[in-house]
Amino acid sequence: AQSVTQPDIHITVSEGASLELRCNYSYGATPYLFWYVQSPGQGLQLLLKYFSGDTLVQGIKGFEAEFKRSQSSFNLRKPSVHWSDAAEYFCAVGAFQAGTALIFGKGTTLSVSS
Amino acid sequence: GAVVSQHPSWVICKSGTSVKIECRSLDFQATTMFWYRQFPKQSLMLMATSNEGSKATYEQGVEKDKFLINHASLTLSTLTVTSAHPEDSSFYICSAREGHTGSYNEQFFGPGTRLTVL
Repeated sequence: AQSVTQPDIHITVSEGASLELRCNYSYGATPYLFWYVQSPGQGLQLLLKYFSGDTLVQGIKGFEAEFKRSQSSFNLRKPSVHWSDAAEYFCAVGAFQAGTALIFGKGTTLSVSS
Repeated sequence: GAVVSQHPSWVICKSGTSVKIECRSLDFQATTMFWYRQFPKQSLMLMATSNEGSKATYEQGVEKDKFLINHASLTLSTLTVTSAHPEDSSFYICSAREGHTGSYNEQFFGPGTRLTVL
């Protein structure tokens, strides 16, 4: 079955510290991978995406993610977290076929302490 | 990137009434549109997939007679919540994909509609 697992429900990081949010996927086809961020009461904002090529992808707001096929992972990282990064983060996986929808993980809530 | 809009952004209705939510792709033709539902502090759950001109395909457990989806044009899909009840209160998010063959068609998301049923 196709699925996305985000093992960490809630993470607290000190401002200025580094961040890594984990994402593992199970997908039968070639995966197209995404990270989204959502602030309370808001819609989704795309942080970055991986389709093919270089397995380290850069996104907005200083985020990056690395695709590791052997581990079925697509972890999100940021070297120095800012208080404004506090939000809900969702990893998602999609397929090439036009009629298929993205499947989302349950999300990780990021809190930033001062 | 491409833009998807939703209207209204929030709506409050009385129990037993019906509510229609519109989803529009503003600068591309959406061959496929998707409707998701998100409860507070939870993830997005796919409700249904609709292809332009065809009946929507509903996910298991989603009542098709309660959540009516129409995708009559390549730029517009509507979700009608019929006889809404408080348990239908949620954040509804639509998304859309083009249908170009030979390349990956990215899925673009609307800003969501907050439905509160009193």
